[in-house]
Parts: sequence; structure tokens; C-alpha cells
Amino acid sequence: QLVLTQSPSASASLGASVKLTCTLSSGHSNYAIAWHQQQPEKGPRFLMKVNSDGSLIKGDGIPDRFSGSSSGAERYLTISSLQSEDEADYYCQTWGTGIVVFGGGTNLTVL
Amino acid sequence: EVQLVESGGGLVQPGGSLRLSCAASGFTFSSHWMSWVRQAPGKGLEWVANIKQDGSEKYYVDSVKGRFTISRDNAKNSLFLQMNSLRAEDTTVYYCARSPSYGYLVDYWGQGTLVTVSS
Repeated sequence: QLVLTQSPSASASLGASVKLTCTLSSGHSNYAIAWHQQQPEKGPRFLMKVNSDGSLIKGDGIPDRFSGSSSGAERYLTISSLQSEDEADYYCQTWGTGIVVFGGGTNLTVL
Repeated sequence: EVQLVESGGGLVQPGGSLRLSCAASGFTFSSHWMSWVRQAPGKGLEWVANIKQDGSEKYYVDSVKGRFTISRDNAKNSLFLQMNSLRAEDTTVYYCARSPSYGYLVDYWGQGTLVTVSS
């Protein structure tokens, strides 16, 4: 079964960096994922696609502070130089034939 | 500029029906898979359904199979979701979403429309 697992919460200080993790279920370690940001009271926004080899396709206008990487079944979103507006929920997404799956989301608090 | 504008949400009684629409602009609508994704208040994102460029393939999450129907009108750059036999648990914000040419992920989202199922 295709499942994505995310930690429910994370926190980091203003100006620091944070690395969020999305873990693919067993047998799906070669799947690409997408990262989405949802700021409070707003709709989601596509950040980037992360392939299993770590290559990226970023969304329009996404700052260089946002980057992605991959290792085994884990896909990462790294946000550097944290700003207050980065406080949001972050969701990963993957897909297979006839199915799309979202992770449960990570709520990021900027201290 | 890619724009996806949903409409049709509102209050409906359990067992009732509602049809959501999504008006797309700023891109070649007929070249993209399209999806509906929903989000219950305070909860995470849940994929509902998607549809191929020409409408020949449609997929649904198990919880809506047999009740919801996704469709599209490429001539009018529009996506639809017909929702029947609505339940309280269908109360969510529904987002229209576009997939890029390189995969079934979402690369653009609408602003969402709220559906409330309540008596």
C-alpha cells in the first residue's frame, strides 16, 4: 500500500534552517514526490517535485531558500534562512496508476 | 497566469447532491490531467478524483466511488465534480488542481470552495 509518513510538527528559529522528512512506504522507495506549502487560512501552493535521484523541478516563483533532496525511501524539504511567512503546513504527495496520496502534513512553527 | 476558480459549494442536506465547477485559464486546459482534492476543517489534504486530458480515464478515492463523478468540458476549459448521496463527512473545502505534463502531482491549486453537509 502506497503511504507517505510525515512528522506532525517541527520548529526552528527565525533565520535558521529546517529539514522536513517524508517517508515512502516499503516497496515504493523509487517514487517521486511533490512538496506543497499551505499557509494559515490559504490554499496549498506547489513547491517542488523531488525525484528518487534527488533531482528537482521547482514551482513558479519558489525562492532558492527552498530545496529538496532524496535518500532511499526518504524525501526531504529543506528551508534555509527561515522567515515568519514560512510558518505553515507542509504536505508531501505521491502517485501511482489510478491513485494519488498525500502525507498527513507537518506543521512548521518559526520561533 | 494559471488560474483555477472553483464555484458551486454551499450548504446541502445529507443525501443531497451538489455540482462543483472549476473554471481554468492561463494554460491549455485540454493538455493536462485535472484533479479534485479536499480538506476537512483542521485536517490534511485528501485526493478525491482525477481525470485524463480527454476524459477517457477517471479515478476516485474509495470513499467517493459510486457517489461522485468527475468530468470535464475542454471546449469550455471547465472541470466538474458531481456529488450525490452526500454525507456529513463530505463536509470539506474542495480544491481544483492541475497536474503538469511530467506527472500526476499537482502544480497549481484553486482557492477552494466549501461544501457543508448538514441538516
